[in-house]
Amino acid sequence: DARVTQTPRDKVTEMGQEVTMRCQPILGHNTVFWYRQTMMQGLELLAYFRNRAPLDDSGMPKDRFSAEMPDATLATLKIQPSEPRDSAVYFCASSGDVNTQYFGPGTRLTVL
Amino acid sequence: AQSVTQLDSHVSVSEGTPVLLRCNYSSSYSPSLFWYVQHPNKGLQLLLKYTSAATLVKGINGFEAEFKKSETSFHLTKPSAHMSDAAEYFCVVSDRGSGNTGKLIFGQGTTLQVKP
Repeated sequence: DARVTQTPRDKVTEMGQEVTMRCQPILGHNTVFWYRQTMMQGLELLAYFRNRAPLDDSGMPKDRFSAEMPDATLATLKIQPSEPRDSAVYFCASSGDVNTQYFGPGTRLTVL
Repeated sequence: AQSVTQLDSHVSVSEGTPVLLRCNYSSSYSPSLFWYVQHPNKGLQLLLKYTSAATLVKGINGFEAEFKKSETSFHLTKPSAHMSDAAEYFCVVSDRGSGNTGKLIFGQGTTLQVKP
């Protein structure tokens, strides 16, 4: 049963610290999406990659967020420095066809 | 531009009674439509998808949805609710414009409450 995995599942950190979230897409999927979910804003698309190349990162605060795909099995989302307003659940999703996305379990980030 | 509207933010049913979650869409293209479910503190799970094949789509856990082009609707139904169906449900359309990016456009969600 192929699944998207994300680590860590929970992260508590202090304001100003660097946070790195990792995602392993389903093997063979060539498109990876990063989302953020909060009560106030709902689900927001932050960035996505196809064949490891960034296609759109317009949803990310550029000054503190960065997303990369070092290889086909790993996507990372980094926040530096973190702020309390970054507290949210961050989801990764992968897609093997152009339409259907499969979501990971999420990383719950709390910035104190 | 594509969009989805979930007509109810909250639906409450009794266990064993039918479920109806309503969704209308707007799309300039032949749409791909999805329903996702999110249980508390969990990720989003794909329930079912419509991609221009049969208009009645069957999904997991007894859910189904019917694509009605004339009504621009994609309502989710289940004949008999179970306590474990209590969750947040999202109606989603795939962004087919601008080169078919694969980006998803989410509705605001419907919270399904199931009473014993």
